[in-house]
Amino acid sequence: DGGITQSPKYLFRKEGQNVTLSCEQNLNHDAMYWYRQDPGQGLRLIYYSQIVNDFQKGDIAEGYSVSREKKESFPLTVTSAQKNPTAFYLCASSIPAGDGWNEQFFGPGTRLTVL
Amino acid sequence: SQKIEQNSEALNIQEGKTATLTCNYTNYSPAYLQWYRQDPGRGPVFLLLIRENEKEKRKERLKVTFDTTLKQSLFHITASQPADSATYLCALSSGSARQLTFGSGTQLTVLP
Repeated sequence: DGGITQSPKYLFRKEGQNVTLSCEQNLNHDAMYWYRQDPGQGLRLIYYSQIVNDFQKGDIAEGYSVSREKKESFPLTVTSAQKNPTAFYLCASSIPAGDGWNEQFFGPGTRLTVL
Repeated sequence: SQKIEQNSEALNIQEGKTATLTCNYTNYSPAYLQWYRQDPGRGPVFLLLIRENEKEKRKERLKVTFDTTLKQSLFHITASQPADSATYLCALSSGSARQLTFGSGTQLTVLP
């Protein structure tokens, strides 16, 4: 089955620790994204990548880092510099359309809690 | 600053009625508008995309309109069912900015 997987589903970390969230897709999509969702709020873009070895900051990139070494993988590291990291993190992918932007396919999400 | 408003946080309707959800935006010239469905604790699922030069789009019981003069999109679910209960998100993108901006969503509950 094609799709996007995120692991783990739930993640707990102690304050001051870095943590890496996994995102893998087998849809052969060029573009991948990381979003953060807080209770009662919409999705906010953290980072996105349109092609391997390239990525851009989104609206709330401070305290996060990413890499895109392979087309199918786009891991997100939440660093200790992120002041309020407890949230629901969503990874997505899409095929960039020639005249704009196509639908995004989302993973099941990782709920990160900082203790 | 750019702003997207989905004008009701929660909407309750009776089964069989038409649900109408609103998405308004300001300081934005979107080329595309998308609607997603999100169930609790899960990732959003794409429903419909409408372009700025399209007035209306339909898919089964779903209909989306896009009025760039009013800066508004309406999302309709006809013959609503309890299984339609979820949070619905609108998202906008401009042609040049390769990213989506999401609204905060409207939680729809269809009562049996």
